[in-house]
Amino acid sequence: DAGVIQSPRHEVTEMGQEVTLRCKPISGHDYLFWYRQTMMRGLELLIYFNNNVPIDDSGMPEDRFSAKMPNASFSTLKIQPSEPRDSAVYFCASSPGLTQGDTQYFGPGTRLTVL
Amino acid sequence: AQKVTQAQTEISVVEKEDVTLDCVYETRDTTYYLFWYKQPPSGELVFLIRRNSFDEQNEISGRYSWNFQKSTSSFNFTITASQVVDSAVYFCALSEAGTNAGKSTFGDGTTLTVKP
Repeated sequence: DAGVIQSPRHEVTEMGQEVTLRCKPISGHDYLFWYRQTMMRGLELLIYFNNNVPIDDSGMPEDRFSAKMPNASFSTLKIQPSEPRDSAVYFCASSPGLTQGDTQYFGPGTRLTVL
Repeated sequence: AQKVTQAQTEISVVEKEDVTLDCVYETRDTTYYLFWYKQPPSGELVFLIRRNSFDEQNEISGRYSWNFQKSTSSFNFTITASQVVDSAVYFCALSEAGTNAGKSTFGDGTTLTVKP
């Protein structure tokens, strides 16, 4: 399996622009997670899905952030409008769920810079 | 509520020294999983090991070993004869089987620097 795929790997944008991050989970995994990592706040869970349904979005910082999972093989995290404080590395992870040990496998991350 | 504490923020050792990274967790569930992940300077998060709450056997994989003790709610990670390539941030995580099934709580990480 190719593992979790994220795109783009790097994104540089200007404040106020819309940013869309993409994720393809490992085939057969029921759970998908979006995390944000910064030096100040560490690794934060933003939202996670089970079978394409959002389960917990309490980590989404503001209404500017939204996430969708239209099918089992694709998810997006959108920031509109973006701000400099959104600069971070955004990780997507997927997991097969409890029946197979709940291990999360992470993508390579998207490094977002908002100028 | 589940919680993971990695009290050591940074550790620095000289190559070939042994080093132990501490992880203490809190949970009310009787069924749970514990994990360790490695994040090298390149940035990716690499899964190292998973342990379930019913398996307290220690595990060894090459120079890596893990000590799971339910009595002290700890899941410590030891690197024997450390190498420069072991330099990374190491995260401990906990996943419960109950209400928050599927969701992991991560510790803040321990930055390990191995000097030549």
